[in-house]
Amino acid sequence: EAGVAQSPRYKIIEKRQSVAFWCNPISGHATLYWYQQILGQGPKLLIQFQNNGVVDDSQLPKDRFSAERLKGVDSTLKIQPAKLEDSAVYLCASKSGPEQYFGPGTRLTVT
Amino acid sequence: GQQVMQIPQYQHVQEGEDFTTYCNSSTTLSNIQWYKQRPGGHPVFLIQLVKSGEVKKQKRLTFQFGEAKKNSSLHITATQTTDVGTYFCADPNFGNEKLTFGTGTRLTIIP
Repeated sequence: EAGVAQSPRYKIIEKRQSVAFWCNPISGHATLYWYQQILGQGPKLLIQFQNNGVVDDSQLPKDRFSAERLKGVDSTLKIQPAKLEDSAVYLCASKSGPEQYFGPGTRLTVT
Repeated sequence: GQQVMQIPQYQHVQEGEDFTTYCNSSTTLSNIQWYKQRPGGHPVFLIQLVKSGEVKKQKRLTFQFGEAKKNSSLHITATQTTDVGTYFCADPNFGNEKLTFGTGTRLTIIP
C-alpha cells in the first residue's frame, strides 16, 4: 500500500512570510497527526484529527499556525507569519491500530 | 507535564558491539512504543509493549518494559551498520493516541 505522502519536501522562506504544507494519509486511516521536529529533538505533536474533526490542538501555536482536514482525507498545515524558530521538519502521520505511519516530512527553513 | 527521558543522548559503538538505550518516564505509562529514525528519514514503528515486565525480541533487538511501567529499554546485539539512526521511545498517553516522544538516542557505528 502507498505510504503517507507529503509536499513539498523542502521549503525556504523569509520570516514573516506564509507557508503551507500538504499531507495525504494512507487510505482508510481516520486519524491524522501533524508533528514538528526541531533538529536534534523528538517529534512534538501539533494537532490530531479524527476524520475531519480536531481531537487535540493543545500544542498548536494558534496565533500563527492553522490546520484543516476538510473532507477527512487530505490535510494542510499553514504558518502565517513564519518566525525563525519555526525552522524544523514538519511530519504528518496516520494511524492504524497502535502504529503511526509517518510521511517523509517537509523541511522548512526560515531565514 | 509528562516527560520521557532517554539515555544516553549519543552512543558510538564499534560494529559488532552491543548497544542499549534506556527510556524513563516521570509518570506510569499505559504502553510504550519504540521508533527508529534513520538519518534524514522519518520515524518508523518498531514495537509496542503493553504488559508490566514484558520482554519482546525482534531478531537482534530486545525490548523490555519495566515492572512499574515507568521505564523501558532497547538492546541491540552485535550492531551492524544498518542499525545507525536515532531510537525514540514514545508514550501513547493512555489511549489518547497522541504520542509523547522521548528525547532519543542517536546511534553511530564505527565500521
